[in-house]
Amino acid sequence: GAGVSQSPRYKVAKRGQDVALRCDPISGHVSLFWYQQALGQGPEFLTYFQNEAQLDKSGLPSDRFFAERPEGSVSTLKIQRTQQEDSAVYLCASSSGVTIHTQYFGPGTRLTVL
Amino acid sequence: ILNVEQSPQSLHVQEGDSTNFTCSFPSSNFYALHWYRWETAKSPEALFVMTLNGDEKKKGRISATLNTKEGYSYLYIKGSQPEDSATYLCAFESETYKYIFGTGTRLKVLA
Repeated sequence: GAGVSQSPRYKVAKRGQDVALRCDPISGHVSLFWYQQALGQGPEFLTYFQNEAQLDKSGLPSDRFFAERPEGSVSTLKIQRTQQEDSAVYLCASSSGVTIHTQYFGPGTRLTVL
Repeated sequence: ILNVEQSPQSLHVQEGDSTNFTCSFPSSNFYALHWYRWETAKSPEALFVMTLNGDEKKKGRISATLNTKEGYSYLYIKGSQPEDSATYLCAFESETYKYIFGTGTRLKVLA
């Protein structure tokens, strides 16, 4: 079946622009995660949804970052007034949420803020 | 603050060589340890999920071991091939759902 998809794959934004990154999880997966990977670092947790409920947003670096999953499937990560430090790869993952919590990842969106 | 460390950061080996990497993680609040392979421009691919102390998992030429008491896992690749070139990530999962990733080991296999 289809895996996790993300769009766009690459995004270049001017500083101050708003961006929206989309994630299509594996059909039927309850849990959805967003991660941010800065250059030379491992992915870092941003936020977690169970169905449409955002249960944890403790990793969002500032109030410029906002995520939603209104119908419990597709999710959007929005970054307002982008800054250069927002340049990173943004990864989305989904999980069935059953006992073994293996997360299945999309290919990521590489965001470059000029 | 929970810290996950991987070593080495990068590695070049010749085709046919065997190699191994290390992932160190907290020994408390352990739920699972995950290994992923991430090739450039592709999605990270789940290799193994390990939950029990002493676990050994194998997938083709790749295997992994787990020691939860001392907080480390080894990933072994036997007879490396150029297609094994990738970044290998480990992720520590505590009893919450969150993954804490290491910075990865970048492997380059030279033909």
